Amino acid sequence: DTAVSQTPKYLVTQMGNDKSIKCEQNLGHDTMYWYKQDSKKFLKIMFSYNNKELIINETVPNRFSPKSPDKAHLNLHINSLELGDSAVYFCASSYGQGTHYEQYFGPGTRLTVT
Amino acid sequence: GENVEQHPSTLSVQEGDSAVIKCTYSDSASNYFPWYKQELGKRPQLIIDIRSNVGEKKDQRIAVTLNKTAKHFSLHITETQPEDSAVYFCAATRRKLTFGKGITLSVRP
Repeated sequence: DTAVSQTPKYLVTQMGNDKSIKCEQNLGHDTMYWYKQDSKKFLKIMFSYNNKELIINETVPNRFSPKSPDKAHLNLHINSLELGDSAVYFCASSYGQGTHYEQYFGPGTRLTVT
Repeated sequence: GENVEQHPSTLSVQEGDSAVIKCTYSDSASNYFPWYKQELGKRPQLIIDIRSNVGEKKDQRIAVTLNKTAKHFSLHITETQPEDSAVYFCAATRRKLTFGKGITLSVRP
């Protein structure tokens, strides 16, 4: 009965490849997020979706494309991977429309680009 | 946009002592301030939060204080235990959650 799940947990790939990370939440939340945590542990929001609608899109390269097929799922597709994309990517979800509620994080996907 | 600064970047305390972690924020319209704990290799998890209409909130050994005038808030952990060792993130939000850079707390047994 995992609340927020992500697949895969680890992803090792070469520069230039395209990869996807999937996220699912079974909490009935309306809002889902993607965060990037770099090697210095800095946690930064990338995207936020509310009921399948994109509401936050930070200054992320357009090689990153999120997709929300329904409010329980939020996937992240990355084209033409670069070394600097290596990081841990966390999916999260929260109740309601804003960020004024607890965010439940998934276990993270460690992406390594070689 | 919002800028959240966290001080210090590392903190080491003896088991049983208290630990205080301070954060400042820049956007006076921010109105929600959560604290997240991230153990090594794990996901961040909320440990306590405070809203701008409250000055202090306590939950067992942890407490958070908010000073809106000075735009800073602090996490207080009393009677620290080795399992409190982790990275702690403060955050502030008005429209989106902005995290501080995190502080690594080490509790020496």
